[in-house]
Amino acid sequence: EDQVTQSPEALRLQEGESSSLNCSYTVSGLRGLFWYRQDPGKGPEFLFTLYSAGEEKEKERLKATLTKKESFLHITAPKPEDSATYLCAVQQAAGNKLTFGGGTRVLVKP
Amino acid sequence: NAGVMQNPRHLVRRRGQEARLRCSPMKGHSHVYWYRQLPEEGLKFMVYLQKENIIDESGMPKERFSAEFPKEGPSILRIQQVVRGDSAAYFCASSPLAGSGKNIQYFGAGTRLSVL
Repeated sequence: EDQVTQSPEALRLQEGESSSLNCSYTVSGLRGLFWYRQDPGKGPEFLFTLYSAGEEKEKERLKATLTKKESFLHITAPKPEDSATYLCAVQQAAGNKLTFGGGTRVLVKP
Repeated sequence: NAGVMQNPRHLVRRRGQEARLRCSPMKGHSHVYWYRQLPEEGLKFMVYLQKENIIDESGMPKERFSAEFPKEGPSILRIQQVVRGDSAAYFCASSPLAGSGKNIQYFGAGTRLSVL
């Protein structure tokens, strides 16, 4: 069965203090690894998809990387508006459903 | 281009009543997915549908839950005889294609179901 584990569960940062979120996964044939952002009371918002080990993607202060066992979401010089829960999910090559991790709650204080 | 639309946003039901949750996918999307987020838990897959077909219902509880995506109209997630344990946020997602490198699922804002 596919498994996704995210760490840490919660992260408190000062504005400008860069950090990384980890997503470890086991999956039977990876089609893609997805990162989403979720704000309280809202649905997940798509950020990135990574398809193969070594791939990297960037968007503003966020950068996602992928290896064969884990993915990292790097937040560079975060701002308070980056405060959210970040979700990682994997999709099997043989199916379409997403298997999510428990998320990392990020709080950026000014 | 409107996103995934879910309604109602909030739904209150008493134990034993029926809950009907609706989801209209993004324009041009023909694949719909339902996920459930229980309090203090992560998102869990429930069911994947295409127009008039259930493709994968491996995450659906065996009883009281059903889903459909008719030729016309929104996808419906139906919960019969609700119990307190059904209280959760239910999210719908849609994608344009399945089985391809562009299979990105876009989520709606969710329906928060409270069972009294």
